[in-house]
Amino acid sequence: GAVVSQHPSRVICKSGTSVKIECRSLDFQATTMFWYRQFPKQSLMLMATSNEGSKATYEQGVEKDKFLINHASLTLSTLTVTSAHPEDSSFYICSARDPGAGGPWRETQYFGPGTRLLVL
Amino acid sequence: GNSVTQMEGPVTLSEEAFLTINCTYTATGYPSLFWYVQYPGEGLQLLLKATKADDKGSNKGFEATYRKETTSFHLEKGSVQVSDSAVYFCALLPSGSARQLTFGSGTQLTVLP
Repeated sequence: GAVVSQHPSRVICKSGTSVKIECRSLDFQATTMFWYRQFPKQSLMLMATSNEGSKATYEQGVEKDKFLINHASLTLSTLTVTSAHPEDSSFYICSARDPGAGGPWRETQYFGPGTRLLVL
Repeated sequence: GNSVTQMEGPVTLSEEAFLTINCTYTATGYPSLFWYVQYPGEGLQLLLKATKADDKGSNKGFEATYRKETTSFHLEKGSVQVSDSAVYFCALLPSGSARQLTFGSGTQLTVLP
């Protein structure tokens, strides 16, 4: 299947600093990427939809000024956690939409390996 | 709205046992259905998918059949291995314009040697 990478895989930062996480689709162009947050032993919570060349669409309750998303190219989306606090510590996962060929039913989302953020 | 209901875990099996993880869904139209697997500390990997009724997705010995009449997509494997220990997520992608995955709550599977 398609490959999506995330960097870094793990980051520890001090409270008040900003952290940038990169998500790349390695073998297909992704006009749409998604950012999720996952708490221990829980399912994924969609934070925002990132569209190439336009503003991200945030889910209800997600602070857009806190979680800045940039999707500047067809293979790269970044999530910046600004002024991070301990409650932002979590596992962040991105996914990229591969539209496939032959119709919308061919569409599949491929996920990155995740980024573990710990804010001290 | 769309929803996915998964069998609650955790599920613990002995090696070579038969596995079933139930998944039912609620959606309008004809969604695509997926099973993803998450190993400890990692992201989600696509395990298999089915895009229309009666389709069977299969991969690595796992199978799931898209049953529209029962709105189900149960995951099965005839003989599990220790390496199958992971969390399994059922998900649907609606057929309309809102192309966002809806996930089930996940099922933790532990396979003992």
